[in-house]
Amino acid sequence: AQKVTQAQTEISVVEKEDVTLDCVYETRDTTYYLFWYKQPPSGELVFLIRRNSFDEQNEISGRYSWNFQKSTSSFNFTITASQVVDSAVYFCALSEEGGMNAGGTSYGKLTFGQGTILTVHP
Amino acid sequence: DAGITQSPRHKVTETGTPVTLRCHQTENHRYMYWYRQDPGHGLRLIHYSYGVKDTDKGEVSDGYSVSRSKTEDFLLTLESATSSQTSVYFCAISQRGYYEQYFGPGTRLTVT
Repeated sequence: AQKVTQAQTEISVVEKEDVTLDCVYETRDTTYYLFWYKQPPSGELVFLIRRNSFDEQNEISGRYSWNFQKSTSSFNFTITASQVVDSAVYFCALSEEGGMNAGGTSYGKLTFGQGTILTVHP
Repeated sequence: DAGITQSPRHKVTETGTPVTLRCHQTENHRYMYWYRQDPGHGLRLIHYSYGVKDTDKGEVSDGYSVSRSKTEDFLLTLESATSSQTSVYFCAISQRGYYEQYFGPGTRLTVT
């Protein structure tokens, strides 16, 4: 069974601090996908990134960076020089390519972590 | 942003009444999903669809049914609403079953 653990329930930082959100996953599949989503106070869920299990290259997008390490089953998310607008709930999620329904179609069961509430103070 | 709309965005209904939530997409994605989000439970999958008229249950499907008669529309019906179904409901779409899902704006449902 797949599982995603975000051990940090809440993080509070002051603007311009760097912050890392941890994500640890469990899966038996060899091909899987990892995701991060952002849910700002307005409530919508915003897709941030997808990472494939066969690509451990880290990724940077502006102030955001992601560190994927298969050896430790972790997919951590770092925000550099945090801003108030980064305040949100962040979810890590996992899907397995091999996840099949009774009809034999991969439906991509997306397993979410419980989320980390990030508050950035001015 | 993916073209996903949900209607209504807010609804208050009484216990025992049927309720239908609609999800509409303009992306022609094959997969569509319904989730509910509750404090302490995160996001939980209710039902999903992998094609027109092809649907299956998720982890919390009791008391819910779905239908998909067109690629673009996925309906979630609460057959007889209960207070435990008070929640925020999200629809999502995906091109491939295991790729990222794009979420609609959500529907806040209150059952009194």
